[in-house]
Amino acid sequence: NAGVMQNPRHLVRRRGQEARLRCSPMKGHSHVYWYRQLPEEGLKFMVYLQKENIIDESGMPKERFSAEFPKEGPSILRIQQVVRGDSAAYFCASSRNKVNSPLHFGNGTRLTVT
Amino acid sequence: GESVGLHLPTLSVQEGDNSIINCAYSNSASDYFIWYKQESGKGPQFIIDIRSNMDKRQGQRVTVLLNKTVKHLSLQIAATQPGDSAVYFCAENILGGSQGNLIFGKGTKLSVKP
Repeated sequence: NAGVMQNPRHLVRRRGQEARLRCSPMKGHSHVYWYRQLPEEGLKFMVYLQKENIIDESGMPKERFSAEFPKEGPSILRIQQVVRGDSAAYFCASSRNKVNSPLHFGNGTRLTVT
Repeated sequence: GESVGLHLPTLSVQEGDNSIINCAYSNSASDYFIWYKQESGKGPQFIIDIRSNMDKRQGQRVTVLLNKTVKHLSLQIAATQPGDSAVYFCAENILGGSQGNLIFGKGTKLSVKP
């Protein structure tokens, strides 16, 4: 019973490069969420997606960040022209199609921008 | 500012003792609360949740108490074990907010001494 799968686990990018983070939800889950966590802080909501739709992107920076959850394949969080301040752990979570269904998180992608 | 916060940033307990982790929230419109456990290098792991129409909910060795009058949430862990050592986060979902848009507190680090 695989949980939420994220890859890569660690990603190093130079300033100005693009970062692509992937997330496969748990089996049977149709809702995906992305969160960001800075060291010794709580998680911050970024975006909530269902298949082919962005439901809530209120936590997503307006520039350089985008997310998608295509009909086939994993959800992708893309960060263009990365800056040092983008260095963080990015967590994906998924849930069932049910109100207040608990979120189940993956183990994250740790992005380091040099 | 943060809607959810914690009274104690660190908590050290003896193995076998009971642990109580506290959380204060400021948004009276929050209607769903969750406790997560995060071990080093891993994603948050769902522990237990509670809806605002309940005061108490029990799981295996864990109990969550909700006091809406003073906007206080607590997690009780019975017979704490070394494997319980982790950072614990409370999170809330605001009524009317999008599903999965959780507001996390900063976390309490629990250390269990053998």
